[in-house]
Amino acid sequence: LAKTTQPISMDSYEGQEVNITCSHNNIATNDYITWYQQFPSQGPRFIIQGYKTKVTNEVASLFIPADRKSSTLSLPRVSLSDTAVYYCLVGDMDSSASKIIFGSGTRLSIRP
Amino acid sequence: DARVTQTPRHKVTEMGQEVTMRCQPILGHNTVFWYRQTMMQGLELLAYFRNRAPLDDSGMPKDRFSAEMPDATLATLKIQPSEPRDSAVYFCASGRMGPNGEQFFGPGTRLTVL
Repeated sequence: LAKTTQPISMDSYEGQEVNITCSHNNIATNDYITWYQQFPSQGPRFIIQGYKTKVTNEVASLFIPADRKSSTLSLPRVSLSDTAVYYCLVGDMDSSASKIIFGSGTRLSIRP
Repeated sequence: DARVTQTPRHKVTEMGQEVTMRCQPILGHNTVFWYRQTMMQGLELLAYFRNRAPLDDSGMPKDRFSAEMPDATLATLKIQPSEPRDSAVYFCASGRMGPNGEQFFGPGTRLTVL
């Protein structure tokens, strides 16, 4: 199972673009990269998932270099409501033996 | 707007008592997960089911925890006997794919064992 490493915390300001990078040096060929967001007193919420290159949806973009040993979650023009913990997960889409590890996540704080 | 529901939302009990937490997954989802979250350990996977069959419960203390899916609309997590160290928020999540497909989390059950 690929271990992930993320910054413990990040700070930014409203209107800025925020990039959170996750390292996963041991990523396997069949592994996907998934990001979740968690607000206080709520369960995590799926943000985005990708395998390689770039994926974009209505809330974020995910950049994955060719070697796939890292990935970057990009949040465009953040607002105060983006203050949350962000988790990077790596794993096989359909492995019954896979053990999900959310890790400590990155605590993002957005200031006015 | 389909959601995972969990009951109870809060539970305070005394050490030694049995605790049962319930989860209703989103209709049509065939994979159900139970997680525990604490400040010290973060979010830990306890067990997951596919098509109601347990696939992995290696994260669960076997001597006191048990997880079941009596039917497709109900998943239960039981602790007997409960201990203060079991105090945590317990989340249920459901999805259509395996562990690394999109998971939809419930609001959680906050358990306090005195």
